[in-house]
Amino acid sequence: EDQVTQSPEALRLQEGESSSLNCSYTVSGLRGLFWYRQDPGKGPEFLFTLYSAGEEKEKERLKATLTKKESFLHITAPKPEDSATYLCAVQAVGDKLIFGTGTRLQVFP
Amino acid sequence: EAQVTQNPRYLITVTGKKLTVTCSQNMNHEYMSWYRQDPGLGLRQIYYSMNVEVTDKGDVPEGYKVSRKEKRNFPLILESPSPNQTSLYFCASRLQGAIYGYTFGSGTRLTVV
Repeated sequence: EDQVTQSPEALRLQEGESSSLNCSYTVSGLRGLFWYRQDPGKGPEFLFTLYSAGEEKEKERLKATLTKKESFLHITAPKPEDSATYLCAVQAVGDKLIFGTGTRLQVFP
Repeated sequence: EAQVTQNPRYLITVTGKKLTVTCSQNMNHEYMSWYRQDPGLGLRQIYYSMNVEVTDKGDVPEGYKVSRKEKRNFPLILESPSPNQTSLYFCASRLQGAIYGYTFGSGTRLTVV
């Protein structure tokens, strides 16, 4: 069964304290792994797509990496405005998308 | 402005009364999709469409219908809503090609009493 598990469920960081979020997955025939950011009361916002093991993508303080069984979202020197829920999703057959339940990140000054 | 527009934003209805949530995108995207989001369960895909007149089931299609008669519109129909369909619903669209992520609408909060 296709499945996505994210950890931790919640993470509190002090401003400037770097950390990583984890997304582990099982899917038959991975066609892409996606990271999204969701602010309270809003729809998710697309961040990255990763396809193959060893791939990396960067955007400002965020860097996403992919292995054969998991992906990491590294946050370097986070700021309070990085506070949000970060969602991981994998694309299976067709355009079927399976989301994890997310990591709720809180960055305090 | 490039966007996905859902209507209504909030809806309270009674069990069994048919309703439609509209979704429209102005980005000429081929793919469109509907999701529901529930606490502890995350986002779950209801239906998706890869082109006009082409739709397929996601993980939780029971109790829902969709149609894709035009490229820009992808309405979600609840023929006989039940309280377990109370949820936050999102419509999304994207370009064809795995590199592209979805652009999401602002959501529709549905309550069925």
